Amino acid sequence: ILNVEQSPQSLHVQEGDSTNFTCSFPSSNFYALHWYRWETAKSPEALFVMTLNGDEKKKGRISATLNTKEGYSYLYIKGSQPEDSATYLCAFDPGNQFYFGTGTSLTVIP
Amino acid sequence: ETGVTQTPRHLVMGMTNKKSLKCEQHLGHNAMYWYKQSAKKPLELMFVYSLEERVENNSVPSRFSPECPNSSHLFLHLHTLQPEDSALYLCASSQGSSLGTQYFGPGTRLLVL
Repeated sequence: ILNVEQSPQSLHVQEGDSTNFTCSFPSSNFYALHWYRWETAKSPEALFVMTLNGDEKKKGRISATLNTKEGYSYLYIKGSQPEDSATYLCAFDPGNQFYFGTGTSLTVIP
Repeated sequence: ETGVTQTPRHLVMGMTNKKSLKCEQHLGHNAMYWYKQSAKKPLELMFVYSLEERVENNSVPSRFSPECPNSSHLFLHLHTLQPEDSALYLCASSQGSSLGTQYFGPGTRLLVL
């Protein structure tokens, strides 16, 4: 069983604050790292697929970085809005299946 | 909308019941997955079908029986479940069973009494 850890487990921020959270994964057998955004009662929504060490991806106010040598990825949200409230999941993909973390639950307070 | 639908969204069943969960994808993908999420735990892969053939079975109890009649439909047949099987069951699909982004349905919330 591969260990994928996300921190913090939950986070409350004020509207307008910037925030970031971490996904840690094994540094061997890396193939890809996936980030998902999951709102309550909805489907998890794919945000990023990251494959290369040093990758940086951006989608609007959300961006992510990847360090495969040390086994971590950061997700950043700039100027958080209430609609950013969701659980953010990462999934480590060694090439045969996804191994998910337990997620970071973000609440943005208006 | 991700293009993956699941029915029912909520299900309550007794331990002696038989029920089925249904998943349908409208994305033209050729791989489909069942995942289980129990409280405070990460998503756990249960089954993978690629080109309608089962390629992965992560030691799931036989009271869960998957069926993939074609590339667009996936079922999970449930019988004689236990209360600890209460969880959120998510379906996903992808193009190819490796590397491709998986697109998820909204899940079925199952309660076993």
